[in-house]
Amino acid sequence: QVQLAESGGGLVKPGGSLRLSCAASGFSFSDYYMAWIRQAPGKGLEWVSYISTSGSTKFHADSVKGRFTISRDNAKNSLYLQMSSLRAEDTATYYCARVGGWSYAYWGQGTLVTVSS
Amino acid sequence: QSALTQPRSVSGSLGQSVTISCTGTSSDVGGHNFVSWYQQYPAKAPKLLIFEVTRRPSGVPDRFSGSKSGNTASLTISGLQGEDEADYYCSSYAGSYIVVFGGGTELTVL
Repeated sequence: QVQLAESGGGLVKPGGSLRLSCAASGFSFSDYYMAWIRQAPGKGLEWVSYISTSGSTKFHADSVKGRFTISRDNAKNSLYLQMSSLRAEDTATYYCARVGGWSYAYWGQGTLVTVSS
Repeated sequence: QSALTQPRSVSGSLGQSVTISCTGTSSDVGGHNFVSWYQQYPAKAPKLLIFEVTRRPSGVPDRFSGSKSGNTASLTISGLQGEDEADYYCSSYAGSYIVVFGGGTELTVL
């Protein structure tokens, strides 16, 4: 069955960097667009980044543009989110999700990123 | 990239029906038939309930239904059950590869 497993979260100081990973299994990873979605503690969902099947097309929300970069390695069935210049407002649980028709049918369990000094 | 507008909370009695609204603009909800609804329990990942306004993934009970009129989409849950008590989020494609979410609605089953 489809499984997505995020890793790489943790505590980081403001201005620091972190790289999140998402390991995919149970489906043909290279056939699907993928996304990162985040949820601040006690808050709603926010779309962060989106990447096409080949990785040639990438989009980021205005709130992270220029600081976050989404990428993928189809040979390793893995999705990544490189985060830099982190701010307190980036504190959230980050989910990777499989995109289908602009909806997200499959989500990982999430990884918590805390930005604090 | 403004968030869609949902009521903060709704409630309904066991066995009754409730409807959660999701209001956007002609650039998102009104302009595309890519509205989705998600159910989320505390500390769990969201689960897709409805996609493309009215379609249900396999395994989602037909008690859950979606609709849209103009710039407002709606999720109706009929025959409320205790397990329906959760947070519900709508989302919509907004063009240019952007997806916007609603702020979420907490459903209480009385």
